[in-house]
Amino acid sequence: EVQLVESGGGLVKPGGSLRLSCAASGFTFSSYSMNWVRQAPGKGLEWVSSISSSSSYIYYADSVKGRFTISRDNAKNSLYLQMNSLRAEDTAVYYCARNRLQHNYFDYWGQGTLVTVSS
Amino acid sequence: QLVLTQSPSASASLGASVKLTCTLSSGHSSYAIAWHQQQPEKGPRYLMKLNSDGSHSKGDGIPDRFSGSSSGAERYLTISSLQSEDEADYYCQTWGTGIHVFGTGTKVTVL
Repeated sequence: EVQLVESGGGLVKPGGSLRLSCAASGFTFSSYSMNWVRQAPGKGLEWVSSISSSSSYIYYADSVKGRFTISRDNAKNSLYLQMNSLRAEDTAVYYCARNRLQHNYFDYWGQGTLVTVSS
Repeated sequence: QLVLTQSPSASASLGASVKLTCTLSSGHSSYAIAWHQQQPEKGPRYLMKLNSDGSHSKGDGIPDRFSGSSSGAERYLTISSLQSEDEADYYCQTWGTGIHVFGTGTKVTVL
C-alpha cells in the first residue's frame, strides 16, 4: 500500500525557517518524481515544488522561488522541503504527492502537515 | 498562460447525477487533466486522468460511478448515483514544463 506521511509542521515566526519531511513507503521511491502542494486555510490547492526521481530536475512556483528548497534522499525514502524567510501567506497545510510513473499528474497524496507563520 | 476554470459549487440529490466542468485556457485545449477529490478535513485523493479525446484512467479503487469526458477545452467529471460520501471539493489539475496548475475547485453538496 502506498503511504506518504508528512511531518515537521508547526508554528514559526515571520522570517523564520522550517523543514518539512515526507516519508514514503509501499513503492520504489527512487523511481518516482515527487511534489509539494499547499492549501491555505479555506482556500484551494497550490502547487509548490517538484523534484525528479534522481533530483536532476527541480521546479518551483514563483511564490516560493528563492526561499524554499526541495530535496530527497532515495536511500531513506524521504522527500524534504526546506522553507526559509517564511511569510504569513505561507500559512497552509503542506501535502506531498507522488507523480504517476512516467506521467505528470499526481496519483497519491499524503494527509498533510500544517505550517502556521505568525508572530 | 495555463489556467483552469471551475464553477465554485454544484449540488444534486442523493442518488442523482452531477456533472462538473473544468475549462482549459485558450491555446491549451489539447491538454490532459487529472481530477482529484478532497473530502472534508482530508488530504486529496486522485480520481482519474482525463485526455482530450475523453479517454481516462482511474485511480485504485475509484468506483464506476465516477466517469470523465471531454469536449474541446472542457473536461468533465460525472458522478452518478450520488452518495453522501461524495460531498467534497473536486479539483482539476494540469501541467506544463516545470509547472503544475490547479483549478479553484468545485464544492459538491449532496441534497
